[in-house]
Amino acid sequence: EDQVTQSPEALRLQEGESSSLNCSYTVSGLRGLFWYRQDPGKGPEFLFTLYSAGEEKEKERLKATLTKKESFLHITAPKPEDSATYLCAVQAGSNYKLTFGKGTLLTVNP
Amino acid sequence: DVKVTQSSRYLVKRTGEKVFLECVQDMDHENMFWYRQDPGLGLRLIYFSYDVKMKEKGDIPEGYSVSREKKERFSLILESASTNQTSMYLCASSVTSGRERYEQYFGPGTRLTVT
Repeated sequence: EDQVTQSPEALRLQEGESSSLNCSYTVSGLRGLFWYRQDPGKGPEFLFTLYSAGEEKEKERLKATLTKKESFLHITAPKPEDSATYLCAVQAGSNYKLTFGKGTLLTVNP
Repeated sequence: DVKVTQSSRYLVKRTGEKVFLECVQDMDHENMFWYRQDPGLGLRLIYFSYDVKMKEKGDIPEGYSVSREKKERFSLILESASTNQTSMYLCASSVTSGRERYEQYFGPGTRLTVT
């Protein structure tokens, strides 16, 4: 069974304090790893797809990386508007189902 | 930009009522999904559809059914709503082919309360 574990569950940062969120996974035949951002009371917003170990993607202050066992979402010099829950999901096998982690709640204080 | 819309943001229903949640996507995506999201449990897949009139059970299909009569529209039906179906319901869609084929795009969600 595919498993996705995100850590920490919650992270509180000061504005400008860089850090990383972790997503570790156990799947057979990874086809893609996905990062989403979710604001309270809203649907998840797609951020990145990573397909193979060594791949990196960047968007503004966010950078996602992938190894064979885990992915990191690095947040450089975060701002209060980066506060959200960040979700990680994996796709493996032949269907289109995603398996989601439970998310990391990020709070950035001004 | 992909746009996925859901019929209601908030819904309050009584126990035993039949409830319809509707989802529409405007990007000609073949695949559509229904999830529920609960604190501490994350997102759980209820049903998905990979073509018109086709459906497959997800991880928690009990108490739910779905309908997909048109490519752009996917409905979730609670035949007889119960209080344990109080949750945030999220619809998503994705394409079947190409490098982006597993990327799912979500709607804004429907917060359903069953009293």
